Amino acid sequence: QVQLVQSGAEVKKPGASLKVSCKASGYSFTGYYMHWVRQAPGQGLEWMGIINPNGGRASYTQKFQGRLTMTSDTSTSTVYMELSSLRSDDTAVYYCARINMILHAFDLWGQGTVVTVSS
Amino acid sequence: DIVMTQSPLSLPVTPGEPASISCRSSQSLLHGNDNNYLDWYLQKPGQSPQLLIYMGSNRASGVPERFSGSGSGIDFTLKISRVEAEDVGVYYCMQALQIPLTFGGGTKVEIK
Repeated sequence: QVQLVQSGAEVKKPGASLKVSCKASGYSFTGYYMHWVRQAPGQGLEWMGIINPNGGRASYTQKFQGRLTMTSDTSTSTVYMELSSLRSDDTAVYYCARINMILHAFDLWGQGTVVTVSS
Repeated sequence: DIVMTQSPLSLPVTPGEPASISCRSSQSLLHGNDNNYLDWYLQKPGQSPQLLIYMGSNRASGVPERFSGSGSGIDFTLKISRVEAEDVGVYYCMQALQIPLTFGGGTKVEIK
């Protein structure tokens, strides 16, 4: 079954770090770039960055430069998104999404990981 | 960064009636290969977004024929020929032309 399964909900304190996993199955893991998108409560979708699972090269949006790290593990077909120095406005649902470069669109999404940052 | 602007913000619809959502980009999404890198997603309540339309006018696999996308350059439209109850949710356009990818603010479709 083609799917992306993300790790479970997290509650973090301000200043802490977060690491969310996204495990791919049912397709060639290294054949598709992976993106991370987040959605604050009641808000729209915000693109965070992209990683090439084959080699691990990543690119992040300017807003998260210095706080965001994306990595991949081909042995487990898993990508990770790590966000440091968490603030209350990092409270959001975080999604991994596979991009299909023939369609130039996200054709597969994870179920989302709810992250709450609160003291 | 490319700014995506959607309208309306909210769209109450009557089942069986048509609906239309507009999306405008701050710069042309027309690539040199004549494809427009504009996608449409629907986020149903409590779910992850799902792809409806890619490259401006192509329905994704499994998407009902009542959904259609049109437009080129900076102006795009998503149309639902006859709205059904299952179509409620928030619709987003997204430009896939350049990094950072950017989304419109969303249009909430609800049944009257």
